[in-house]
Amino acid sequence: GAGVSQTPSNKVTEKGKYVELRCDPISGHTALYWYRQSLGQGPEFLIYFQGTGAADDSGLPNDRFFAVRPEGSVSTLKIQRTERGDSAVYLCASSSQGVNTEAFFGQGTRLTVV
Amino acid sequence: KNEVEQSPQNLTAQEGEFITINCSYSVGISALHWLQQHPGGGIVSLFMLSSGKKKHGRLIATINIQEKHSSLHITASHPRDSAVYICAVTGNQFYFGTGTSLTVIP
Repeated sequence: GAGVSQTPSNKVTEKGKYVELRCDPISGHTALYWYRQSLGQGPEFLIYFQGTGAADDSGLPNDRFFAVRPEGSVSTLKIQRTERGDSAVYLCASSSQGVNTEAFFGQGTRLTVV
Repeated sequence: KNEVEQSPQNLTAQEGEFITINCSYSVGISALHWLQQHPGGGIVSLFMLSSGKKKHGRLIATINIQEKHSSLHITASHPRDSAVYICAVTGNQFYFGTGTSLTVIP
């Protein structure tokens, strides 16, 4: 497709389980961003990739969160030992170069930890 | 402390009214983005600007770098404009405001 695609669109998991969230950016976009948005809040930065490497991972809340982008396109956000507080919409965006080029957002993955 | 502050948080307008949403930021930036988020929907980028003013249809965005302030204006508002409007700035990463929820009543 032409836009940023995120899968799954919804994920319900039990506390303590491991989850993976996938982001397919726009083809050719070198920059990829992960954010999460809690109800009634603005998006919160998690991590920013430039190519295959994490240019800035300062937003990852703790070591249960990890993200990869091994070939510089698709990215996976991995959450270990999920907690109820991890419930949020996880948003992915991509841009052609970096933070100063227009970003295109996916529809998000709604994660619910029960 | 939030690096990006928006006002108002909530706004209700009658169809046809002129609407202004304000954004102030405290960090050094390279660019400012106005984003639109519909209920249950994803985020759409409306504008990216680093100086002056941009216009797209009924939407106008302005930025004053010296005052660290931006405004988003909607002329002749319509119910389909109802959404959350988010201001974001980019320095070394994105910083987001908490959004302005706009409801336009027919």
